[in-house]
Parts: sequence; structure tokens; C-alpha cells
Amino acid sequence: DQQVKQNSPSLSVQEGRISILNCDYTNSMFDYFLWYKKYPAEGPTFLISISSIKDKNEDGRFTVFLNKSAKHLSLHIVPSQPGDSAVYFCAASGADSWGKLQFGAGTQVVVTP
Amino acid sequence: EPEVTQTPSHQVTQMGQEVILRCVPISNHLYFYWYRQILGQKVEFLVSFYNNEISEKSEIFDDQFSVERPDGSNFTLKIRSTKLEDSAMYFCASSDLGAGAYEQYFGPGTRLTVT
Repeated sequence: DQQVKQNSPSLSVQEGRISILNCDYTNSMFDYFLWYKKYPAEGPTFLISISSIKDKNEDGRFTVFLNKSAKHLSLHIVPSQPGDSAVYFCAASGADSWGKLQFGAGTQVVVTP
Repeated sequence: EPEVTQTPSHQVTQMGQEVILRCVPISNHLYFYWYRQILGQKVEFLVSFYNNEISEKSEIFDDQFSVERPDGSNFTLKIRSTKLEDSAMYFCASSDLGAGAYEQYFGPGTRLTVT
């Protein structure tokens, strides 16, 4: 059941540059999308979300873009900082299964000095 | 900042034993959830709970699993007779009402090891 896919298992980026994380989904009933960050031995931490009625949401260094026609969303982190090194999960929820978050496999981000 | 807490952080149990994992959601939240992550796999939804009843459950959440909100602050997940394949990180989450309902806040997890 691969309704949410993150095809890049890892990403390495230099400090100060932009990190771009991608996520694809297949279920057209999804209407809310979230990004979580996870450090080892901790729970996922909510970062930013976007409703399907928008195509962009920005919060500080984090911006999420949604392309509904392509069933694709991305997370931009600008500028990247060493503390951003973590696993990032894309998650989605839909009107047909409210509250049930479907997670992607995650992308490990490493920010190098 | 309010946070979701979970106890214990690590639970080791023998196959066939019952375990109860405990969570204290954020105090003004009304929706509660359990997820699990088997090592190397995705985070998977188990169950959602609102107004003292299950709202939705996944295929994983069979008769061996149950949830309860025994008082105004705790939310528990019980596994009646543990199997080796129940070994995983179990995460509790909670969310608010209205527009905030989609944004689930997770606890640090309980690592369950079944031997």
C-alpha cells in the first residue's frame, strides 16, 4: 500500500544552501498534507502542513508546495542548518479516512558544514 | 510548550504476555492516535479515538489490540497476547479540534521488544 512515496532515501546538502525534499501520492482523496522531522530515538515532530485548496504554505525557513495535478508536493528548507539533519517524513490524510495519516518512507537529510 | 509523553520508553516482554503502553496526550486535545514503526519500515497508523470511542482502525489493529482512556489524562494501548512481530516503536499522537485537527503531535515513542 504505497499511497505516499518518497523516492529519495537520502539527501546531502551544504549548510546555507536549499534542501528540497519531494513526495508523491496516488490517492486523489487526500486533502491535507504534512511534513514531519524525526531525530533518532524521538517521535516525529510536526513541521508544516498544507491543505489541498492551497498550492503553497510558508513558515519561516520552511515552504511546502503542492501540485495537485501531478499529485506531488515538496518541502524547501532555506537556508539549511546543521540542526536540520534528520529524517523527514511526508504524510497525507483524506476525507475518506480522516485522522489516519499515511506516511512516506522518509528522506534522511544530512547538512554538511 | 505542551507535549505528548509516553511510558515506558522501552518495554521488553515475552511472547504471549500482555502489555500496556501509556500515553498522556496534550491536555486540550480531543483526538488521540496510536501508530507503530517496525524497524526499517514506514510509520503505520493503528487507531484513532475520539469521544471515548474508536473512530477508525487499520487492519493491523485486530482483536489482540485495544485502546482506552481510563481517566481525563491517560490514553492506553493494550496488546493482549504479544507476538514476535509486535516488536516495534509505538507512537502516541494527539490533535486539536477544528482546523488544527489534522496536525497530529507525536510522543517520543515506546520501544516494544517481544522475545
